[in-house]
Amino acid sequence: EVQLVESGGGLVQPGGSLRLSCAASGFTFSTYSMNWVRQAPGKGLEWLSYITGSSSIIYYADSVKGRFTISRDNAKNSLYLQMNSLRDEDTAIYYCARAYGSGSPIDYWGQGTLVTVSS
Amino acid sequence: QPVLTQSSSASASLGSSVKLTCTLSSGHSSYTIAWHQQQPGKAPRYLMKVEGSGRYNKGSGVPDRFSGSSSGADRHLTISNLQSEDEADYYCETWDSNTRVFGGGTKLTVL
Repeated sequence: EVQLVESGGGLVQPGGSLRLSCAASGFTFSTYSMNWVRQAPGKGLEWLSYITGSSSIIYYADSVKGRFTISRDNAKNSLYLQMNSLRDEDTAIYYCARAYGSGSPIDYWGQGTLVTVSS
Repeated sequence: QPVLTQSSSASASLGSSVKLTCTLSSGHSSYTIAWHQQQPGKAPRYLMKVEGSGRYNKGSGVPDRFSGSSSGADRHLTISNLQSEDEADYYCETWDSNTRVFGGGTKLTVL
């Protein structure tokens, strides 16, 4: 069974940093691309970042480019999102999500981790 | 990059059918999209992929009541024999060379 379990969310002050993790199981992690998607309270889904299985290709949404960094450790079956210079508008539930490649849809979602940016 | 447009809300009666629509922006009418369901308080769940040809491919465990279709730039999700658990937000997704895009979502109410 495919499982994606996010962790690392919490309360952080504006300007602060946080690192999210996503533990994957039930599939060959290294052969899948991974994404981070967020959802602000009461709002829709916003794609943030994408990384290929080998980490050779990485993309970011303009809203987080230069502030967030996606990475992965295939030996640990884990995906990460380093978030710096956090703003109030970054408050959201953050989901990791699997896709076979850049030309495939997201086919599995984690349960999400809540990040609250507030003073 | 592509833009996806969805109606903000829809409603239908228990046991009836409903057709949700996701419209691709000009110049992107051939794109494949995916449908995701988000029940209240839960994470999204992948339902299916819908191609421009109308062919669709469902995810694991998605009931037969769910089907997909296409017409021009429109991609549809049809839910037959509506159940109470179908009350949810439905999002469409598409992808380009270096980005992914979601529609604004349709809130489906089962009356």
